[in-house]
Amino acid sequence: EVQLMETGGGLIQPGGSLRLSCAASGFSVSDVYMNWVRQAPGKGLEWVSVLYRGGSTYYADSVKGRFTISRDNSKNTLYLQMHSLRAEDTAVYYCARAIRYFDNWGQGTLVTVSS
Amino acid sequence: SYVLTQPPSVSVAPGKTATITCEGNNIGSKSVHWYQQKPGQAPVVVIYYDADRPSGVPERFSGSNSGNTATLTISRVEAGDEADYHCQVWDSSSDPPLYVFGTGTKVTV
Repeated sequence: EVQLMETGGGLIQPGGSLRLSCAASGFSVSDVYMNWVRQAPGKGLEWVSVLYRGGSTYYADSVKGRFTISRDNSKNTLYLQMHSLRAEDTAVYYCARAIRYFDNWGQGTLVTVSS
Repeated sequence: SYVLTQPPSVSVAPGKTATITCEGNNIGSKSVHWYQQKPGQAPVVVIYYDADRPSGVPERFSGSNSGNTATLTISRVEAGDEADYHCQVWDSSSDPPLYVFGTGTKVTV
């Protein structure tokens, strides 16, 4: 059974840094496209970043230069390193497996950026 | 960047049909995927590649895509269908290709 579990969310001050983790089971994160998608309170879904099987990474303009996606194949875990956090980064962050569509999602982890 | 527009809300009586639209420039040339999201839960795909249903999704859910509008149709609506619905495409025309979500529609039964 495919499972994704995010951890690492919490309350962080503006300008701070946080690293999210997404532990996968039932498949290898190195074999698929892995993504981070976020949802601000009461808002729609926003794609954040993708890590391709071959290692290429891409980011939404809103996070480019501040966020970094990576994976540890030995731990079968996806990461999102977030720097220079802003109030508008407040959201539930989901990791999700996808090629053209997202077929499996984690339960999400809440990141709140506030002083 | 590519924009997908959905109506903010749709209200439907039990047993009737709900129609949710997703508008985008020449969206008919792209594959559209639909997600159902209930409060406090992660999204779940209900339609992929315009009209395919994952196993476990009732036949009451159907999709179509043509021109500038993709449509998710829920027939014989039940109380359990009340949720937010999001459309999504993979925009291969951008460099690099990126994922785009619609603005989301709240369906009230």
